[in-house]
Amino acid sequence: AQTVTQSQPEMSVQEAETVTLSCTYDTSESDYYLFWYKQPPSRQMILVIRQEAYKQQNATENRFSVNFQKAAKSFSLKISDSQLGDAAMYFCAYRTRNTGGFKTIFGAGTRLFVKA
Amino acid sequence: DTGVSQNPRHKITKRGQNVTFRCDPISEHNRLYWYRQTLGQGPEFLTYFQNEAQLEKSRLLSDRFSAERPKGSFSTLEIQRTEQGDSAMYLCASIEIGGTEAFFGQGTRLTVV
Repeated sequence: AQTVTQSQPEMSVQEAETVTLSCTYDTSESDYYLFWYKQPPSRQMILVIRQEAYKQQNATENRFSVNFQKAAKSFSLKISDSQLGDAAMYFCAYRTRNTGGFKTIFGAGTRLFVKA
Repeated sequence: DTGVSQNPRHKITKRGQNVTFRCDPISEHNRLYWYRQTLGQGPEFLTYFQNEAQLEKSRLLSDRFSAERPKGSFSTLEIQRTEQGDSAMYLCASIEIGGTEAFFGQGTRLTVV
């Protein structure tokens, strides 16, 4: 069975600095998606960034980028120039691309605090 | 369309009562998911619909839980004979045909007292 592990329950970063959130996953499949979702307090979860496993190039979305290491099954999120609005729970998630694979598997999350 | 809508936002119920939650997905999305999220944890998959067909159910979904999507549009999740362990946030998400991004609702927070 696939699993997603986030080993950092909490992280803290100074405004304008850079922070990296860690994620590892376990799967026997070769074709899948990886995601980072953001869940602000009392607000709905939104997608931050997505990576297709067949793509070697790391995904980037403005201040957010990932370091995807397929062999190591590692998928970290880097937030550059951190802003107060980045404070939230961040969830790493996995979903197979195989036919019949429907569910997204989430890690336990990392709470990010941003200090002014 | 303003996104995935869930009602109610909060529900407090006494142990043993039945509750029903509703999810209205984004209108062109044919795939709909229910997840449960407890405090300090990530969402856990409960069930999945493609149009009106329920294609997968988690072992977390005991006999007291039932979900429907009768016309392939909105969905309901019912919990019968609620227990304190059912207290959680229940999230709904939808994905469009051929899409990869799941759009989440704000969730229904259930408290069983």
